[in-house]
Amino acid sequence: ELKVEQNPLFLSMQEGKNYTIYCNYSTTSDRLYWYRQDPGKSLESLFVLLSNGAVKQEGRLMASLDTKARLSTLHITAAVHDLSATYFCAGGYSGGGADGLTFGKGTHLIIQP
Amino acid sequence: DGGITQSPKYLFRKEGQNVTLSCEQNLNHDAMYWYRQDPGQGLRLIYYSQIVNDFQKGDIAEGYSVSREKKESFPLTVTSAQKNPTAFYLCASTRRQAGYGYTFGSGTRLTVV
Repeated sequence: ELKVEQNPLFLSMQEGKNYTIYCNYSTTSDRLYWYRQDPGKSLESLFVLLSNGAVKQEGRLMASLDTKARLSTLHITAAVHDLSATYFCAGGYSGGGADGLTFGKGTHLIIQP
Repeated sequence: DGGITQSPKYLFRKEGQNVTLSCEQNLNHDAMYWYRQDPGQGLRLIYYSQIVNDFQKGDIAEGYSVSREKKESFPLTVTSAQKNPTAFYLCASTRRQAGYGYTFGSGTRLTVV
């Protein structure tokens, strides 16, 4: 059974600073997703990581995947207030099954001016 | 525009009532999912369906039922057997192919009164 653990669960940081959110998973997972959720809203897809060493960047966010360490990271560069949200990582399995994703508990990120 | 439509946005249930949450997609996706989110928590899988007329239980299926009579539709019924149904419910869909992203609906917030 796949288990996904994020840390930290809560993060308060200042604008302009860099920080990393960590996502560990327990068993083999060949798909790793990152989502953003604003309060009371649905999930917005940020990144899909499929292979070991995959790195994707969008604006101030960069995600990476190390399948050997069973670790994905979401790095925030020079944070701005608009990035305040809850970030989730989720793992799953590819192939024809599409059996759904297992989510971490989320990292509640507050970026203060 | 293609997407997932969930309705209603807010739903109130009296004790002992069954209520049905609607989920419709026009993305031609094969697989559909229902997740439950409690405050400060990640998403937990209730039920999923990979093809029409077939569905599987997720991690927290007790007190819920689903049907998949059409590819586009995957309604969720919260029965009176679900003792703590107050939560945010999210519907998602995807194609059954490796690396394909999941699309989420805007959610239904269910409250027991």
